[in-house]
Amino acid sequence: GENVEQHPSTLSVQEGDSAVIKCTYSDSASNYFPWYKQELGKGPQLIIDIRSNVGEKKDQRIAVTLNKTAKHFSLHITETQPEDSAVYFCAAEDTGNQFYFGTGTSLTVIP
Amino acid sequence: EAGVAQSPRYKIIEKRQSVAFWCNPISGHATLYWYQQILGQGPKLLIQFQNNGVVDDSQLPKDRFSAERLKGVDSTLKIQPAKLEDSAVYLCASSYRGVSYNEQFFGPGTRLTVL
Repeated sequence: GENVEQHPSTLSVQEGDSAVIKCTYSDSASNYFPWYKQELGKGPQLIIDIRSNVGEKKDQRIAVTLNKTAKHFSLHITETQPEDSAVYFCAAEDTGNQFYFGTGTSLTVIP
Repeated sequence: EAGVAQSPRYKIIEKRQSVAFWCNPISGHATLYWYQQILGQGPKLLIQFQNNGVVDDSQLPKDRFSAERLKGVDSTLKIQPAKLEDSAVYLCASSYRGVSYNEQFFGPGTRLTVL
């Protein structure tokens, strides 16, 4: 089955700086890659996603890149704000429509 | 539109007791997932339903866990008997699976503590 690895596990940045979180996956047939933000006591919330036929997608301060050949994808947050502090998860959906999650990155934005 | 509802939000039980969680997905969402999220880890799929049929339950510990989705809407997840290692947050998610749209929407989760 699919295996998703995520790095780093913790990340601290100064407000206004950029944050980058990276994930790799093992199943080359996986075709959908969402990113979730999870705040304390809440369920994960989708913030951006990308499909295997697209190399990059951007939504305001958030962008995701996908390298199918290397089987890795990354989340980029620019101009970070304190409200960006949360745990971020990457995931990959396989051809059986099952989602496999990374282990999470705890992002802290220091004011 | 209303989100995914789960209850209870918190549950504390002793080992060997039983517990049940309830999930009401977003109206019209045919696919429903139950995940287990252990502290410090990502969600792990336990079972996936399409309408009222099971798509995958390969990671569900069937000797103690059971789940059902009667009438293809609400779902319940049961643990009987509970073990210490079952302490986790149990997340329910639903999605409307279209040709190019399969976003999952998560509920707030049920935090289970087994003593």
